[in-house]
Amino acid sequence: GQNIDQPTEMTATEGAIVQINCTYQTSGFNGLFWYQQHAGEAPTFLSYNVLDGLEEKGRLSSFHSRSKGYSYLLLKELQMKDSASYLCAVRDSNYQLIWGAGTKLIIKP
Amino acid sequence: DVKVTQSSRYLVKRTGEKVFLECVQDMDHENMFWYRQDPGLGLRLIYFSYDVKMKEKGDIPEGYSVSREKKERFSLILESASTNQTSMYLCASTPSGLAGGLYEQYFGPGTRLTVT
Repeated sequence: GQNIDQPTEMTATEGAIVQINCTYQTSGFNGLFWYQQHAGEAPTFLSYNVLDGLEEKGRLSSFHSRSKGYSYLLLKELQMKDSASYLCAVRDSNYQLIWGAGTKLIIKP
Repeated sequence: DVKVTQSSRYLVKRTGEKVFLECVQDMDHENMFWYRQDPGLGLRLIYFSYDVKMKEKGDIPEGYSVSREKKERFSLILESASTNQTSMYLCASTPSGLAGGLYEQYFGPGTRLTVT
């Protein structure tokens, strides 16, 4: 079967760095997405990886290794507004998105 | 900016009622999707459509149907609502391409449906 695993919840301190991991087992691979979802709101796109390596965008970085079926999202200089759920999704060989259950990130002052 | 709107943010219906959830996008996207989101589970695809009058079943289509009469509008229908359909329903759209293509999905704000 197809599976995406993420930690259920993480806690970090304002100003610090946090790494949210995602491992996947899917039938084929056509890209990996990270989305942010604030409570009660719609998911919004953060990053996309299709090749191995690191993508950096401001305070946010996303790493991917296809051979390991692994990705992480790195958030630096954490702010209170970063408190949200972070969803990992993989596009499989049929171009369907398989979603993880999300990681709830709690930022403490 | 891409805008995806959904007809209601909150909805309460009784068991057995017919329920319509509507989604409209203003960016001329070909592909539209309906998901449900439940605590502890990833988004689950109910139905999607890659063209007017076209529809494809997702992972959990049972108890649902859809309608896409116009490109910008994609409706989800619960023929006879049941309590296990209490959930958050999210609509999404993407530009053209293989069913979803290589593009990120743009989501509506969601409808929290409670069936009593």
